[in-house]
Amino acid sequence: DQQVKQNSPSLSVQEGRISILNCDYTNSMFDYFLWYKKYPAEGPTFLISISSIKDKNEDGRFTVFLNKSAKHLSLHIVPSQPGDSAVYFCAAFNSGTYKYIFGTGTRLKVLA
Amino acid sequence: NAGVTQTPKFQVLKTGQSMTLQCAQDMNHNSMYWYRQDPGMGLRLIYYSASEGTTDKGEVPNGYNVSRLNKREFSLRLESAAPSQTSVYFCASSEAWGAGDIQYFGAGTRLSVL
Repeated sequence: DQQVKQNSPSLSVQEGRISILNCDYTNSMFDYFLWYKKYPAEGPTFLISISSIKDKNEDGRFTVFLNKSAKHLSLHIVPSQPGDSAVYFCAAFNSGTYKYIFGTGTRLKVLA
Repeated sequence: NAGVTQTPKFQVLKTGQSMTLQCAQDMNHNSMYWYRQDPGMGLRLIYYSASEGTTDKGEVPNGYNVSRLNKREFSLRLESAAPSQTSVYFCASSEAWGAGDIQYFGAGTRLSVL
């Protein structure tokens, strides 16, 4: 039972265009969300986060949007750069169980 | 600034062998974690230690044991390795245990069990 889903295993985008990575969740107890980026042979690194009391958080080229009614969050990268090519994981924190659940990841390839 | 250091980076075991994966962090973090990553499954929590002296089971604890040796070190032990434990293992740490606490990951240990 995958409570946090990233339904697109991969995504290709041209350099300079917008990348949109999506994440859906099923548990309404999730109240904090994070995005991590992972390069090959490295561990995941934190990218950006959002609390459930907000619907948007922005950090430079990265913006995360949260739609609580749809149980959906998305990560926008504008403009996309070749160095953004990586696997992106969303993670959701459950205040009931006090645990993070990670999604399955989306591999982004930014084409030069 | 090392962050989270995992050893070894690679390991091949035969079914039934035992081994310990080592993890150390130098950020004075209170909480530490062990995850496994399998294709199509994302990161799944094996065990965690919310603070020094405590350990708790995560989503997939069967076949593993952990030791929080001190504040810096958190080891994962496979007592009798099985092919189903072939995976990439990540150790992580965070300042505290809760919403908003960013986890810092090691580079991973790639384990194959034959």
